[in-house]
Amino acid sequence: EADIYQTPRYLVIGTGKKITLECSQTMGHDKMYWYQQDPGMELHLIHYSYGVNSTEKGDLSSESTVSRIRTEHFPLTLESARPSHTSQYLCASRPTGWTEAFFGQGTRLTVV
Amino acid sequence: KQEVTQIPAALSVPEGENLVLNCSFTDSAIYNLQWFRQDPGKGLTSLLLIQSSQREQTSGRLNASLDKSSGRSTLYIAASQPGDSATYLCAVRGSFWDSSYKLIFGSGTRLLVRP
Repeated sequence: EADIYQTPRYLVIGTGKKITLECSQTMGHDKMYWYQQDPGMELHLIHYSYGVNSTEKGDLSSESTVSRIRTEHFPLTLESARPSHTSQYLCASRPTGWTEAFFGQGTRLTVV
Repeated sequence: KQEVTQIPAALSVPEGENLVLNCSFTDSAIYNLQWFRQDPGKGLTSLLLIQSSQREQTSGRLNASLDKSSGRSTLYIAASQPGDSATYLCAVRGSFWDSSYKLIFGSGTRLLVRP
């Protein structure tokens, strides 16, 4: 079983609040990813990281930001939450090479 | 631009049936293809990973095949059980340097296995 954890699992928050979604993995993987998934829809990559101090934006435009100060930690931050940010956010990691990706359990965010 | 399609979008079968889920992709230049399972409101669980040089992979009642030249993969589930009910997603990883960092997902097949 993959050791990748997301917190919180569920979050309901008011418009305008700043939030940080946490993602941690204990496998020493250098590649980490954030995907956004609306109910019944495809996963879309919003951020990824090749390693410490390396972050890039994904295919789907997002108002969120990420940081990678430590290998095991890849938090995602929304400075001012809006109802349009309501979605499920999935974190993933994998080691370098032609290897499989492992996903966390996701954070379901609702902005009211 | 790589596009991944999964057919059917939804499938309902009685317990015990063998079934096939389909995944197609438009660009055959891939590193690998991965099948995932997603339970409602949960994250993704990796089921099988097939490298571009492989034709199939097996794990228990699951068998995944890959035909890279035709851009197709199938996931075969033998003797389906109600516990198999979930959404099944396939994802491909591109082989070019500018696409190899990410997985491109299909929209999934929602499977319901009726007792």
